[in-house]
Amino acid sequence: AQSVTQLGSHVSVSEGALVLLRCNYSSSVPPYLFWYVQYPNQGLQLLLKYTTGATLVKGINGFEAEFKKSETSFHLTKPSAHMSDAAEYFCAVSRMEYGNKLVFGAGTILRVKS
Amino acid sequence: DGGITQSPKYLFRKEGQNVTLSCEQNLNHDAMYWYRQDPGQGLRLIYYSQIVNDFQKGDIAEGYSVSREKKESFPLTVTSAQKNPTAFYLCASSISAGSDEQFFGPGTRLTVL
Repeated sequence: AQSVTQLGSHVSVSEGALVLLRCNYSSSVPPYLFWYVQYPNQGLQLLLKYTTGATLVKGINGFEAEFKKSETSFHLTKPSAHMSDAAEYFCAVSRMEYGNKLVFGAGTILRVKS
Repeated sequence: DGGITQSPKYLFRKEGQNVTLSCEQNLNHDAMYWYRQDPGQGLRLIYYSQIVNDFQKGDIAEGYSVSREKKESFPLTVTSAQKNPTAFYLCASSISAGSDEQFFGPGTRLTVL
């Protein structure tokens, strides 16, 4: 069965500092991988996705993630945090056996300090 | 504007009552999904529908029911059999069941009093 682990339920960074949110997955075959962002009391917005091809994926709002098959990881990074980045971030993997249904990690709440 | 709408945004229910959450999309998507979100647990799939008049149970379907009579609508009923229904409910859709991207609605927060 596929699963997703996000290390750290809460991450705090200073404005302008590097953002690193960790995601590891378990899958018997290379999956599709996603990062979503959620602002309070709102739905999820897709930040970026990896399906095939280049392993470094660039998304919206300056975020990027790198698919590392050997480490089964898909960590999300941003060089310089902005106050508006404060939100909850979810890593997700598609479930091939169910026609690409998504399995979500537990989420990481990012706090940005001024 | 194309998108997914969920109503109401906040919903209160007394114990023992059934309640229906609305989800409508005008994206012409075939597939639709219902997720439940609880703090620290991420999103869990309740039901999904790949096409009109068809739906399948997800991981936590007990105490919930759905219908898909129209392509644009996928209402979720939370029945009295759901033991802990207080949660944030999110509806999503994708072009097809095999599509790699899901689009989410704004969610409905259900509170059982």
